[in-house]
Amino acid sequence: DQQVKQNSPSLSVQEGRISILNCDYTNSMFDYFLWYKKYPAEGPTFLISISSIKDKNEDGRFTVFLNKSAKHLSLHIVPSQPGDSAVYFCAASALYSGGGADGLTFGKGTHLIIQP
Amino acid sequence: DVKVTQSSRYLVKRTGEKVFLECVQDMDHENMFWYRQDPGLGLRLIYFSYDVKMKEKGDIPEGYSVSREKKERFSLILESASTNQTSMYLCASLLGGANVLTFGAGSRLTVL
Repeated sequence: DQQVKQNSPSLSVQEGRISILNCDYTNSMFDYFLWYKKYPAEGPTFLISISSIKDKNEDGRFTVFLNKSAKHLSLHIVPSQPGDSAVYFCAASALYSGGGADGLTFGKGTHLIIQP
Repeated sequence: DVKVTQSSRYLVKRTGEKVFLECVQDMDHENMFWYRQDPGLGLRLIYFSYDVKMKEKGDIPEGYSVSREKKERFSLILESASTNQTSMYLCASLLGGANVLTFGAGSRLTVL
């Protein structure tokens, strides 16, 4: 049973435009959500996060939106740049519900391709 | 900055060989994890440890074991490697009570 779903395996966006990556979750215990970025042959690096008490968190070109009622979050990248081409993983934890030591539950990832 | 070091970046092994993947973190984190990443399957948790000599099974522990003799070191062991264990293996650490995993660069294992 997949608790974190990224339904788009890949996404192609023109440079300068907005990239929107989506993520859905099923476990109501999840209370903290993260996005990781991964280049080939490297480990994932933390990008941005949001706790369930917020509905938006912004960091430069990256904004994450959380819709708790829909169990949906999205990552917006504006404007998209060639260096943003990578695999993006959505992840969730039940940290404040006592599940922190179990680590994170990851989606399958979305490969973002920024076209020049 | 937390550093998680995976000493072997690329390994090629034969079916049936015993394989050790080593991971060291330098920030005194209590929790350490082993994931594998496969195309189309994302990151899947193999084992994790929340203290020295403690280990817990993740989602896909079959065919693997782990060792945590020291707080900074977490080893993944493939007792008898098989071709379906060809994958990218990622080690991560987490400070207790925190919520951001820090990953190593990964170990690409090919089993022939």
